[in-house]
Order: sequence, then structure tokens, then C-alpha cells
Amino acid sequence: AQTVTQSQPEMSVQEAETVTLSCTYDTSENNYYLFWYKQPPSRQMILVIRQEAYKQQNATENRFSVNFQKAAKSFSLKISDSQLGDTAMYFCAFMKLSYNQGGKLIFGQGTELSVKP
Amino acid sequence: DGGITQSPKYLFRKEGQNVTLSCEQNLNHDAMYWYRQDPGQGLRLIYYSQIVNDFQKGDIAEGYSVSREKKESFPLTVTSAQKNPTAFYLCASKLRTGGNMNTEAFFGQGTRLTVV
Repeated sequence: AQTVTQSQPEMSVQEAETVTLSCTYDTSENNYYLFWYKQPPSRQMILVIRQEAYKQQNATENRFSVNFQKAAKSFSLKISDSQLGDTAMYFCAFMKLSYNQGGKLIFGQGTELSVKP
Repeated sequence: DGGITQSPKYLFRKEGQNVTLSCEQNLNHDAMYWYRQDPGQGLRLIYYSQIVNDFQKGDIAEGYSVSREKKESFPLTVTSAQKNPTAFYLCASKLRTGGNMNTEAFFGQGTRLTVV
């Protein structure tokens, strides 16, 4: 069974600074996707970034980038130039790449990020 | 506008009662999911469905039931057998077919269920 672990329940960062959120996972699969989802106070889940395990290049989306270390099973999220609107709960998630596995997401416990002015 | 709609936003239930949470999507997605969110535990999968008239148990299905009679709808019933039903419930949907862009799950805005 796959597991996802986020060991930082809470983090804070000053506006305009950079912060890194950690995520580790455990799987015996070779083909999978990893995601970071954001849940702001409105509680609407929003996809931030995704990474295909078969790609060595780290994914980037504007101010958001990941450090994907497949051998170490590590998937951290870096937020550059933090903005007040980045304040949210962030979830790391795993999905097995298999048509018959239903596209189920396995989530970590979440990291609550506060961006301070 | 295309999206996924959950109702109601807040729901109160007396102990011993069954309640049904609604989830409707107009994204033409094949797969739909129910997750439960508790503080410090992330989201846990209750049930999922890949096609109409078929669904599978997730990790915490006990005390819950679902149906999938229409592609657009995937209601969740929280039965009196669920020992600790107070939680935030999220419904999600996604395309079933392969391809990188079909991996994104879209979420509703959630239902907060409180047992009183």
C-alpha cells in the first residue's frame, strides 16, 4: 500500500520570501503521479502542480516548483516570492498510473502555511 | 459554467439518523470520488466510481453507502452505523481515460456534517 507523509503540520513565511514544504512517500510502483493541492480558507481544493514519476525534470508553475527525488521518494514544494494569497493548507498526494486503479488519490496529512505581511 | 457542486454546505444530523450528501458534476467526467477530511489526517477515500452503476469501497467505507445511477451524480449516504460522522466531506471527479492532462481531479466546495 502507498503512504504519503508530510512531517510539517504548520509553517510560516514572510511575504516575498521563499518557503519549502516537505513530502515523502512510500510505494513499490514505478509509474505514478505526484501532486500538490492547495486548500485556502474557502476550503476549495486547487491543483498547484503535478509531477510524472517517469520524468526526471522537476515541474514548475510560475512561483511554484518541486524537487522530485525518485530514489529517495521525496517530493518537496518550493514557493518563491510568497504572497498573502498563498496562505492555505497544502496537501501532497500520490496517484498510481494505472487505467484500472480508478485514479485514486492518496493524501498526506497536510501542512498549514501562513504568509505574514 | 462547468464544475462540481456539493450540497448542502452545512448539514446537521441527529444521532441515529441517515443523511445524504449531494454531489453533481457537469464536466462529463467518468470517475467520481468521496473523501472525508479530518484535522491532522488529510483526506481519506470513502468510495469511488469509475462508471455508471458501478462503485468500489475506499479505505474508510464502513458506515457509508453510495449510488451511481447517473454519470452526473454520486450521492453519499452517511448511515447511523458510522460511529463518528462529524467531518468535512469532499466530492471530486476526473476523466477516466489516460493522458497527462486527465490526471487532475476537480473538487467540490465540500459539505460540513455535524452530529448534534
